[in-house]
Amino acid sequence: EDKVVQSPLSLVVHEGDTVTLNCSYEVTNFRSLLWYKQEKKAPTFLFMLTSSGIEKKSGRLSSILDKKELFSILNITATQTGDSAIYLCAVNYGGATNKLIFGTGTLLAVQP
Amino acid sequence: DAGVIQSPRHEVTEMGQEVTLRCKPISGHNSLFWYRQTMMRGLELLIYFNNNVPIDDSGMPEDRFSAKMPNASFSTLKIQPSEPRDSAVYFCASSPQGNSYNEQFFGPGTRLTVL
Repeated sequence: EDKVVQSPLSLVVHEGDTVTLNCSYEVTNFRSLLWYKQEKKAPTFLFMLTSSGIEKKSGRLSSILDKKELFSILNITATQTGDSAIYLCAVNYGGATNKLIFGTGTLLAVQP
Repeated sequence: DAGVIQSPRHEVTEMGQEVTLRCKPISGHNSLFWYRQTMMRGLELLIYFNNNVPIDDSGMPEDRFSAKMPNASFSTLKIQPSEPRDSAVYFCASSPQGNSYNEQFFGPGTRLTVL
C-alpha cells in the first residue's frame, strides 16, 4: 500500500530554535516530493524535490530528499511564531498523473 | 490571478440533506482535484479530473458522493444524502499540467458541518 508517514506528529519549540521535520514514503512510480505549509486555511506550496541530495532553500527553510532511503527532511532555523502551522509532506506517484498522496502532517507550535 | 475559488466557504446542514460544493480552478490549469481533510485521516484525495475527464475516483467514500466537471472552469462535488461523518473541510486544487509533477494550488476550502 502506498503511504507517506510524517514525524513527529506535533512539536512545540521556542522562538529561535531549529526544527527538523521528517517524511518517509513507500510509493510506486515516485516522481516528486512536495512540502506544504498549512495555517488556518489552504495548504501553500513550499518546495518540490525530485533529485536526491540537492538542497532546496528559501530563507530560513530548507529541504532535502534521499531517494535511496525514501525520506525527506524539512529544516526551519531561527523559528518564529509565524512558522506555527501544520507542515504537510506529499508524494507525486502513479505514472503520468499529478496524483498526490499526503502524510498526516506535523503540527508545529512556536512559542514566544 | 484570483487563484482557485470555492463556494460556499462554510456550510451547515442537517443529516439527509443534499450538499453541493463548487470549485473554479485557475484558468489554464488542466487538472482538478477534490480533497477532504479531517483530524483523524488528514488530507485525502477523493477524485481528480484531467481535461474535464474523471481519471481516478477511487477515493470517493461511497455512492453518496459524486463529482462533475462540465467544463474547464467549473466543478461540483455533491453529497446526497449527507451524514454527520461527512463533516470535514473539502478542498479543491488545480494544477497546470496533467502529466507532469507540478505543484497543486489549493482553494480556501469549504468547511462542511452535518448535524
